[in-house]
Amino acid sequence: QSALTQPASVSGSPGQSITISCTGTSSDVGGYNYVSWYQQHPGKAPKLMIYDVSNRPSGVSNRFSGSKSGNTASLTISGLQAEDEAVYYCSSYTSSSTPGVFGGGTKLTVL
Amino acid sequence: EVQLVESGGGLVKPGGSLRLSCAASGFTFSSYSMNWVRQAPGKGLEWVSSISSSSSYIYYADSVKGRFTISRDNAKNSLYLQMNSLRAEDTAVYYCARDGGYRSGWLPDIWGQGTMVTVSS
Repeated sequence: QSALTQPASVSGSPGQSITISCTGTSSDVGGYNYVSWYQQHPGKAPKLMIYDVSNRPSGVSNRFSGSKSGNTASLTISGLQAEDEAVYYCSSYTSSSTPGVFGGGTKLTVL
Repeated sequence: EVQLVESGGGLVKPGGSLRLSCAASGFTFSSYSMNWVRQAPGKGLEWVSSISSSSSYIYYADSVKGRFTISRDNAKNSLYLQMNSLRAEDTAVYYCARDGGYRSGWLPDIWGQGTMVTVSS
């Protein structure tokens, strides 16, 4: 069981927007503005898409955005494209003894 | 170009040992904490072990504590994971990942391509 809770799957049509949630506790997501999101295509390594809740690394499309409210962080992808189909993981800094925690992953299907 | 390249994976029998390596390039390796994260087939990401830039802080997941040893050689820009007493449940792709520090919320920002470890008789 993962420390952060994500929906197992979401789907959307090309051009639409989708949002993936990531729910933790006040010891991780709710307590710090240190939430990252990763995109993973089959057989590939995870790629950082969002850090510090809402910041995009250089080279990441502005169709990807992040936000947080209380103990839940969210990743929104607008203008869905076929290439966005992947598994998305959230991660958070935590006050526990672990360096960080991951969500269980959400499979995005572009219909 | 910032890059992490893992090596050392393979097929090993239960109870056996393997040593994974991660070669870093394109950044000042000695300034960053580093992590090993694994992914079992069809499963999610699991934090395995972390080491601070000077090796003064080391973390192990409960699932590997006492069996795995993380280390680094800053002079060689390399990270290692010595895995002993391997079990079937250790079968996974093992990723080397840089801790981005204050620049990325103390979470991984750069990942290697991964190396597959299969524990089977």
